[in-house]
Amino acid sequence: QVQLQESGPGLVKPSGTLSLTCGVSGGSISSSNWWIWVRQPPGKGLEWIGEIYQSGNTNYNPSLTSRVTMSVDKSKNQFSLKVNSLTAADTAVYYCARRSTVGGFFDYWGQGTLVTVSS
Amino acid sequence: QSALTQPASVSGSPGQSITISCTGTSSDVGSYNLVSWYQQHPGKAPKLMIYEGTKRPSGVSNRFSGSKSGNTASLTISGLQAEDEADYYCYSYAGSSTWVFGGGTKLTVL
Repeated sequence: QVQLQESGPGLVKPSGTLSLTCGVSGGSISSSNWWIWVRQPPGKGLEWIGEIYQSGNTNYNPSLTSRVTMSVDKSKNQFSLKVNSLTAADTAVYYCARRSTVGGFFDYWGQGTLVTVSS
Repeated sequence: QSALTQPASVSGSPGQSITISCTGTSSDVGSYNLVSWYQQHPGKAPKLMIYEGTKRPSGVSNRFSGSKSGNTASLTISGLQAEDEADYYCYSYAGSSTWVFGGGTKLTVL
C-alpha cells in the first residue's frame, strides 16, 4: 500500500517562501506515475498546483507558475514544493498525491498539512 | 484556465438519487475522457469515486456512477445514505499538460 506524508513548517511569513516535502513509502517514486501538489484554502475548494515526473519534468498551474518550483529526490523517495512571494491567500491545506499516467486520476493522497501565511 | 462549474449544493433524502453536474468547455471536459470525481469528508483527504468519466475503482459502492454529455460530466448517487454527505469535486484534463478541479458541491442528506 502506497503512503504519502507531507512535512514542512506550518507557519510562514508574508513575502517568504513555503517549502514542503512529500515522503513516499510502500512504492517507488521512480514508478510510472506523476506526483502532484493540490491545495485547499480554509472553507474553499481544491486547486491543482502542479505535478512532477520521476525524470524531473514538471507541469504547473498557469496562475501559479511564476511562483512555484517542484523537485524530486529519488535517493530519498520524496518530492518537494516551493512557493515564493507568499501572501495570506496562500494559506491552505496542502496535499501531495499520486496521479496515474493512465486515466489521470489520483489514487493515493497524503493526509494534508495546513500552512498559514502570517507575520 | 477556469475552474469547472459545479452547483454549490445539492440535497436529497435517504434512498433517493441525486446528480451533480460538472460543466466545462470543449477545451477540457468536452475533449477528453479524463474526468474523475472525488468525495471529501470534513478534515479528510479526497477519495477517488469515479475515473475516466464512468469507471468505478474497486471498493467504491455501485451506487456511484458517472456519465458525460458534451461539455458536462455528471456524478449520480443512487440510494442515498447518511455517509454520502460530503463535498464532491470533479477534475479534468484541460489540455497543454494542465488539469483543473470543479468548484465543489456540498451534498446534504436530509
